[in-house]
Amino acid sequence: EDQVTQSPEALRLQEGESSSLNCSYTVSGLRGLFWYRQDPGKGPEFLFTLYSAGEEKEKERLKATLTKKESFLHITAPKPEDSATYLCAVQRAGTASKLTFGTGTRLQVTL
Amino acid sequence: NAGVTQTPKFQVLKTGQSMTLQCAQDMNHEYMSWYRQDPGMGLRLIHYSVGAGITDQGEVPNGYNVSRSTTEDFPLRLLSAAPSQTSVYFCASSYQQGKSFGEAFFGQGTRLTVV
Repeated sequence: EDQVTQSPEALRLQEGESSSLNCSYTVSGLRGLFWYRQDPGKGPEFLFTLYSAGEEKEKERLKATLTKKESFLHITAPKPEDSATYLCAVQRAGTASKLTFGTGTRLQVTL
Repeated sequence: NAGVTQTPKFQVLKTGQSMTLQCAQDMNHEYMSWYRQDPGMGLRLIHYSVGAGITDQGEVPNGYNVSRSTTEDFPLRLLSAAPSQTSVYFCASSYQQGKSFGEAFFGQGTRLTVV
């Protein structure tokens, strides 16, 4: 059974204080690992897809990395508008587009 | 493009009532799915479809039916609502990319309360 565990559950940062979110996964045959951002009352919004260990992707203040067991979402010099819940999901090979999600990390960035 | 559109946004049902949650996408995606999101549980797959006329069960299918008569639409039916079905429901669509699938695009969600 595929499993995704995200930590911490919640994180409070001051503006400019960099940190990382963790996503540990167990899946037989990883096809892709996805990061999403979810704002309150909204649907998840796609951020990144990572396909193989060693891969990195960046977008503005966010950088996602992948190893064989976990992925990190690094947030550099965050701003209050980065406050959201960040979700990690895995797609197993041969399962169409079915995603297994973690429970998310709720990030709050204060001034 | 509107993307993935879900209706209604909010709904209150009485136990035993039935209803249909609507989902439509205008991106010509082959793959569509329904998830429910509950506090502390993450998103869980209810049903999915890999194309018109093809549907299959996900992780938590009991109490729900789906059909896919067109590429664009993928309605979710609650047969006899129960309080345990109180949740936020998300519809998503995705496209085939070689041997795998690209990222999923999500709707804005339907918040359902069963009393």
